[in-house]
Amino acid sequence: GNSVTQMEGPVTLSEEAFLTINCTYTATGYPSLFWYVQYPGEGLQLLLKATKADDKGSNKGFEATYRKETTSFHLEKGSVQVSDSAVYFCALSDAGNMLTFGGGTRLMVKP
Amino acid sequence: ETGVTQTPRHLVMGMTNKKSLKCEQHLGHNAMYWYKQSAKKPLELMFVYSLEERVENNSVPSRFSPECPNSSHLFLHLHTLQPEDSALYLCASSQDRFGTSTRTDTQYFGPGTRLTVL
Repeated sequence: GNSVTQMEGPVTLSEEAFLTINCTYTATGYPSLFWYVQYPGEGLQLLLKATKADDKGSNKGFEATYRKETTSFHLEKGSVQVSDSAVYFCALSDAGNMLTFGGGTRLMVKP
Repeated sequence: ETGVTQTPRHLVMGMTNKKSLKCEQHLGHNAMYWYKQSAKKPLELMFVYSLEERVENNSVPSRFSPECPNSSHLFLHLHTLQPEDSALYLCASSQDRFGTSTRTDTQYFGPGTRLTVL
């Protein structure tokens, strides 16, 4: 079956630090890959996505590249802000549009 | 701004109560989903509705009963719940019909209902 593994948090960074949150997946076929973000007290918001190998998704300074050879979709941001503090979820979607999520990684950014 | 709304945002109920969660999407989508988010488990898909077809996760207990009267509204009826059912229940919608396209489509989530079962 499909599965998504992401690094456990919390990840604590100072403002303007570089962020990497690792995500690897196991899937049959060619899934689409997503990063969702959940701010405190809210639902999930789509952050970025990539639908095929070597695609790069980007949004709000965040980037992730679909790496088929390493089955990875790591999230990066060059300079984090306090407002980026949230829980980040990596997910994949198969041809049936069923989402499989990772466990989530809490990011805390300190001023 | 979200095109998916959920009510109520918070709900406290006893184990003998019957309640319903409501989800409404204003995006013109054809598929809707219920997810459960527990404190120490990954997000779990409970049900999918695509037009008139329903797909469910076989591990979901029968005390959860979904209803989708039309493509814009989705309900989750709750009865005789257990304390371990306390969680955040998230609704989502997507454009594509489930199982009829080889491409995936983005799911858009509502803010969730925080359910506490006493």
